[in-house]
Amino acid sequence: AQSVTQLGSHVSVSEGALVLLRCNYSSSVPPYLFWYVQYPNQGLQLLLKYTTGATLVKGINGFEAEFKKSETSFHLTKPSAHMSDAAEYFCAVSEGSGGYNKLIFGAGTRLAVHP
Amino acid sequence: GAGVSQSPRYKVAKRGQDVALRCDPISGHVSLFWYQQALGQGPEFLTYFQNEAQLDKSGLPSDRFFAERPEGSVSTLKIQRTQQEDSAVYLCASSQDAGAGAFFGQGTRLTVV
Repeated sequence: AQSVTQLGSHVSVSEGALVLLRCNYSSSVPPYLFWYVQYPNQGLQLLLKYTTGATLVKGINGFEAEFKKSETSFHLTKPSAHMSDAAEYFCAVSEGSGGYNKLIFGAGTRLAVHP
Repeated sequence: GAGVSQSPRYKVAKRGQDVALRCDPISGHVSLFWYQQALGQGPEFLTYFQNEAQLDKSGLPSDRFFAERPEGSVSTLKIQRTQQEDSAVYLCASSQDAGAGAFFGQGTRLTVV
């Protein structure tokens, strides 16, 4: 069965510092991988996704993630944190089989950004 | 509409009451998903529709949960005889195709008292 592990339920960084949110997955088939962001009382917004092709994926708001098959990882990074990046971030995996993406989510990482 | 719309945004139900949660997906999106998000957790899959066909209901936690999408657009998630453990945010998402990544609504926060 597929699963997603997000290391660190809470991450705190200074404004301008590097953001690194970790995600490891398990999947028996080549996965589709996603990062979503959730602001308070909001739905989930897609940041970026990996399906096939280039393993370094660039998303919105300056975020990027790299698919590393050998490490079964899909860590999310941003070179310089902004106060507006404070939110909850979810990594998700899908087999993409059967013609639809049933997403399996991690437990989430809450990012705090302090001045 | 421009995005996925869910109503109501908040619902308080007495234990044992039936509730109905509505989802208006993005126009033209074939795929529609329901997820349940408990406090402090990631969303968990409940069910999937392709047009009006419910192709996957493996995540529905009990037979008290029922979902429909009769005309292939608006969907309703119904919970009968609500229990306290049903308290959660219920998220609806739609997507155009398998690789697109789903667009989520703001969710309905259900509190069972």
